[in-house]
Amino acid sequence: SQKIEQNSEALNIQEGKTATLTCNYTNYSPAYLQWYRQDPGRGPVFLLLIRENEKEKRKERLKVTFDTTLKQSLFHITASQPADSATYLCALEDSNYQLIWGAGTKLIIKP
Amino acid sequence: EPEVTQTPSHQVTQMGQEVILRCVPISNHLYFYWYRQILGQKVEFLVSFYNNEISEKSEIFDDQFSVERPDGSNFTLKIRSTKLEDSAMYFCASTTDQIFYGYTFGSGTRLTVV
Repeated sequence: SQKIEQNSEALNIQEGKTATLTCNYTNYSPAYLQWYRQDPGRGPVFLLLIRENEKEKRKERLKVTFDTTLKQSLFHITASQPADSATYLCALEDSNYQLIWGAGTKLIIKP
Repeated sequence: EPEVTQTPSHQVTQMGQEVILRCVPISNHLYFYWYRQILGQKVEFLVSFYNNEISEKSEIFDDQFSVERPDGSNFTLKIRSTKLEDSAMYFCASTTDQIFYGYTFGSGTRLTVV
């Protein structure tokens, strides 16, 4: 079955730098992959969706890449701010059309 | 911006009792979902609902669970006889098209079974 791996350790980044988070999957390449932000005690908030035929997607300071050869997506936040501190989740659809989720990477932006 | 609304925000129930978690999805969305997240763990898919019927369900969604869309706005999750291990955050989500758009999640209901 499809598995998703995200860095389980927290990522500490200095304010103003670029944060890069990794999402790896193990089996077939999904038709699309999504990134969400989750704050403690809150529901996930949709950020970006990238489809298998897209190499890169941007939205303001956010950028997502999708490499189906490496089975990997990278999520970048440029000019990071303390308000970007949160857990970032990667999600993709499995063969049963169910969205499965990574455990998330906690991002801490230090002033 | 449109929101998915969930009530209650926190529910405490005794083991064996029935609970109903309520959600009002975004009005023009067509696909509705329930997910759960046990504290400190991954988000887990429970069930998807489209065109007034269940389209997919996970192994977690056993006979103790049911969903309903009783009218044009509400979407409910019922747990018939709660167990301690049902304690989790339950999130409702909706989307207009999951291939092109992401999901909009509610703020969740924290269910505590004692």
